[in-house]
Amino acid sequence: DAKTTQPTSMDCAEGRAANLPCNHSTISGNEYVYWYRQIHSQGPQYIIHGLKNNETNEMASLIITEDRKSSTLILPHATLRDTAVYYCIVRASHGSSNTGKLIFGQGTTLQVKP
Amino acid sequence: ETGVTQTPRHLVMGMTNKKSLKCEQHLGHNAMYWYKQSAKKPLELMFVYNFKEQTENNSVPSRFSPECPNSSHLFLHLHTLQPEDSALYLCASSQGSYEQFFGPGTRLTVL
Repeated sequence: DAKTTQPTSMDCAEGRAANLPCNHSTISGNEYVYWYRQIHSQGPQYIIHGLKNNETNEMASLIITEDRKSSTLILPHATLRDTAVYYCIVRASHGSSNTGKLIFGQGTTLQVKP
Repeated sequence: ETGVTQTPRHLVMGMTNKKSLKCEQHLGHNAMYWYKQSAKKPLELMFVYNFKEQTENNSVPSRFSPECPNSSHLFLHLHTLQPEDSALYLCASSQGSYEQFFGPGTRLTVL
């Protein structure tokens, strides 16, 4: 699975959009980009994933560049409860026939401020 | 509430004790996982089970012994642990390699 690079920390004002970047320059064609977050001392929470196209769900939007070497997770209106560590993970398997281990890095600590 | 429960939530044990962590998923998933998160470190995958069969052991010391009696339950048996084994132990489940759902974790302290 390809390696990812994220900034160590970011701040965001409450109510504003939080844009969290991730570089994955060695991503291969069959690898998906996943985002999880971990609020302090809780289990990680799945946010969103994508392969090529931009994706949106009730939590966030995922923008993947055309060359797929980087992506951005967007929280459109950040709240104090979005303060967490955000992990960008790239992995190949995505289907019902395999298990899918996740390799976590250090992630980005997002601090949402009032 | 993710549909994955873990008990106990907190555990303090001595190095000579034997204890077990329990994980249960109510999502109908076929795969279950144990992760370890030490202070200031990323989560580390320990074990993977697919339809009750262990498919991955990430070089975990034998003092950690997993057990998966069925697709809904996963245990981690602990024996003669060291203080450096103190960590947050997280269980997760998934349907195949789709997104994983994590439990709240067990905070383990080894004295």
